[in-house]
Amino acid sequence: AQSVTQLDSQVPVFEEAPVELRCNYSSSVSVYLFWYVQYPNQGLQLLLKYLSGSTLVKGINGFEAEFNKSQTSFHLRKPSVHISDTAEYFCAVSEWGTGGFKTIFGAGTRLFVKA
Amino acid sequence: DTAVSQTPKYLVTQMGNDKSIKCEQNLGHDTMYWYKQDSKKFLKIMFSYNNKELIINETVPNRFSPKSPDKAHLNLHINSLELGDSAVYFCASSQSSLGTSGKETQYFGPGTRLLVL
Repeated sequence: AQSVTQLDSQVPVFEEAPVELRCNYSSSVSVYLFWYVQYPNQGLQLLLKYLSGSTLVKGINGFEAEFNKSQTSFHLRKPSVHISDTAEYFCAVSEWGTGGFKTIFGAGTRLFVKA
Repeated sequence: DTAVSQTPKYLVTQMGNDKSIKCEQNLGHDTMYWYKQDSKKFLKIMFSYNNKELIINETVPNRFSPKSPDKAHLNLHINSLELGDSAVYFCASSQSSLGTSGKETQYFGPGTRLLVL
């Protein structure tokens, strides 16, 4: 991917509200797409990934993401968030290039869930 | 049991010093990575090792030298530390090389917070 753009650096939302975290990428070839979550003072852990097949991918903790090839997007959604979802969320894209696959991470979106 | 562990968790040191960060994974993975996360949370790969062999070496100053004594360990040694080296350094592992398949899930350690004064 030439670039991975997470359109929102911060998303504040009230508990039990729905949320969408946006991710767009630029690439002219097929890609694999990932969402990782980083809780405070921890390493990243995988939420979900799209490799092929159904464009709607379900992950852990009630999150899902939809791959849209025409819009080169992979937005992350959750219908009802909890306080414990407060974290940094990273979109990542793996693209085949010279020498192998290269994975690029977006700059992250901080989700802040308020009571 | 922690899957990917790093030591130390925090490291505060003076400019010009040399320091090392250790990483161990007990997942039986073949590939390990070092990432640098800057103050804006931007995550950038530094190195990747597959079965103790260096396979990715991004544009990183020569002051940074990774060493993999076996496939379960990947250490990072930094010489002549500079203020700009202050960051969180993450170790990660995957079953096989992300560079080969592109599909691999990476498992990250908790990070080492380095502050250079």
